[in-house]
Amino acid sequence: LAKTTQPISMDSYEGQEVNITCSHNNIATNDYITWYQQFPSQGPRFIIQGYKTKVTNEVASLFIPADRKSSTLSLPRVSLSDTAVYYCLVGGLRTGGFKTIFGAGTRLFVKA
Amino acid sequence: DVKVTQSSRYLVKRTGEKVFLECVQDMDHENMFWYRQDPGLGLRLIYFSYDVKMKEKGDIPEGYSVSREKKERFSLILESASTNQTSMYLCASSQRTLSYNEQFFGPGTRLTVL
Repeated sequence: LAKTTQPISMDSYEGQEVNITCSHNNIATNDYITWYQQFPSQGPRFIIQGYKTKVTNEVASLFIPADRKSSTLSLPRVSLSDTAVYYCLVGGLRTGGFKTIFGAGTRLFVKA
Repeated sequence: DVKVTQSSRYLVKRTGEKVFLECVQDMDHENMFWYRQDPGLGLRLIYFSYDVKMKEKGDIPEGYSVSREKKERFSLILESASTNQTSMYLCASSQRTLSYNEQFFGPGTRLTVL
């Protein structure tokens, strides 16, 4: 079964770019890579999703190398309000059903 | 604005009690999910439903069951609560797309079993 590994915590300063990498060596062909943000006392919130190469939206970019065994969430110019836990999720439809594997989360702390 | 609501934010139950956690979504989503979240372990999938009356086991279904009688409602049942089921329970829903992974989460129910 695929397992996702991400750093436990990261520190940054306001205005910097933050890159959080997730390792998923056993990703399956049909799996997508999705990132979520979670604030205390709230459910996770969808940030971005990709299958391969690069995806960009209004809040983040997601870089996925050709072998898809890792992915990097890039947050441009972080602010204090980006302090949160970020989860990498790998999953999709597979033979035998749907599988979804969350990483343990990366706690990002943005300092002034 | 899309919304997933859960019946309780906090719940305290005793060992051996039957516990019902309710989740309702207003987005007409086909898929619904129940997760539990524990420190250092991230989110783990308990059960998944892709249609009314349909369910599939996730990674940790033991000690849990689910019910989906209506499209908008997905219930998680702890048949006989135990202390190791003390956790944060999160419900989510998504459209039936290739990825299933753009999920919308509720605020969570923090369950304590004494």
